Amino acid sequence: EIVLTQSPATLSVSPGERATLSCRASQSVSSYLAWYQQKPGQAPRLLIYDASNRATGIPVRFSGSGSGTDFTLTITSLEPEDFAVYYCQHRSNWPITFGQGTRLDIK
Amino acid sequence: QVQVVESGGGVVQPGRSLRLSCAGSGFNFGSYAMHWVRQAPGKGLDWVAMIYYDGSNKYYGDSVKGRFTISRDNSKNTVYLQMSSLRPEDTAVYYCARGINGGGNCLDPWGQGTLVTVSS
Repeated sequence: EIVLTQSPATLSVSPGERATLSCRASQSVSSYLAWYQQKPGQAPRLLIYDASNRATGIPVRFSGSGSGTDFTLTITSLEPEDFAVYYCQHRSNWPITFGQGTRLDIK
Repeated sequence: QVQVVESGGGVVQPGRSLRLSCAGSGFNFGSYAMHWVRQAPGKGLDWVAMIYYDGSNKYYGDSVKGRFTISRDNSKNTVYLQMSSLRPEDTAVYYCARGINGGGNCLDPWGQGTLVTVSS
């Protein structure tokens, strides 16, 4: 099983600033990595797939990068609605796994 | 609009069984893989199972293999999760999601979830 480790566990950033979230895989997942956003009481929402492709309707301030074992989700100019928990997920092999999440808090 | 809606959650005793359902609408259900993902209270996401668009292949997470079975009825636009030998640690919100892109293994959209509580 591929283990995805997200860092930091919690990130405090001010609105309008940039946030950088990390996801590291225990072995290469090529570019088969997705990012999801989950707000309290809501289901997760797909943001990024295959490392760097924005899903339909996702604002351009969200971007993904990386390949192999190291990936980054960057949110430029944070909006109030961006404060949530973010998960990475790989689809390189079975079983699919998720990272443990990064909580993005308002500073 | 594209949506999936789960049902069937509730309180069940340890060792018993429960079947969840997920109905899809707004898309050609029979052309998409479908997934179940769960989230224990206050915890992260735990992938449970996936079924191919035609039901020909199924995959399971290690924690449910041998106890849970995923199936689908494309004539009813519905995917099921049959859960047996339930344990307290299976307590979670169970989400259904459509699989898109990359072999059907990117999840979008997700339903609102249905809560399963395993307790005596």
